[in-house]
Amino acid sequence: GQNIDQPTEMTATEGAIVQINCTYQTSGFNGLFWYQQHAGEAPTFLSYNVLDGLEEKGRFSSFLSRSKGYSYLLLKELQMKDSASYLCAVRDEGDDKIIFGKGTRLHILP
Amino acid sequence: EPEVTQTPSHQVTQMGQEVILRCVPISNHLYFYWYRQILGQKVEFLVSFYNNEISEKSEIFDDQFSVERPDGSNFTLKIRSTKLEDSAMYFCASSVDRSNYGYTFGSGTRLTVV
Repeated sequence: GQNIDQPTEMTATEGAIVQINCTYQTSGFNGLFWYQQHAGEAPTFLSYNVLDGLEEKGRFSSFLSRSKGYSYLLLKELQMKDSASYLCAVRDEGDDKIIFGKGTRLHILP
Repeated sequence: EPEVTQTPSHQVTQMGQEVILRCVPISNHLYFYWYRQILGQKVEFLVSFYNNEISEKSEIFDDQFSVERPDGSNFTLKIRSTKLEDSAMYFCASSVDRSNYGYTFGSGTRLTVV
């Protein structure tokens, strides 16, 4: 099974940088995903890490350390539209499914 | 951009009634999933489907639930006898394979059991 922990809520200012952390425990590991979910909408895929290191995609970057069971999502140049929940999810080796954490609700202040 | 389509967007049903939630996955995708999200809670895995059969299911997916791919394009979730606690947003998702692209989710069906 999996256990995924991330902060419940965070607040940041428009234009700033924010880092959302995620720790996980799995019996096997085959990838970590970050999704964005606006209120009342479906999750949308942001990033995938399976090897250690940083993956950069525009304003968003995701980092993984498999030995530490740790990932973070870094959002730069924050915009008001980035106000959403950010879901960390993991996939076990041999599985099709991904399991989601409870999500971090990010509030952006002007 | 290809989409996963879900219908209806909102369904209200009486406790004990059967409901069928419908999904049209992206056409070249091979893996299909149902997830649910109770209001204010996390997205929970229900079932995955590949090669015309269930590949994994969670403890939530008990005998009251079933899935079907009746015609090669639709993917349905049936709840036989709904309970109040089945009220949730149900998301269908599909993926081309078990790759790094993650899933594409549909916009969801909000099921309200009264």
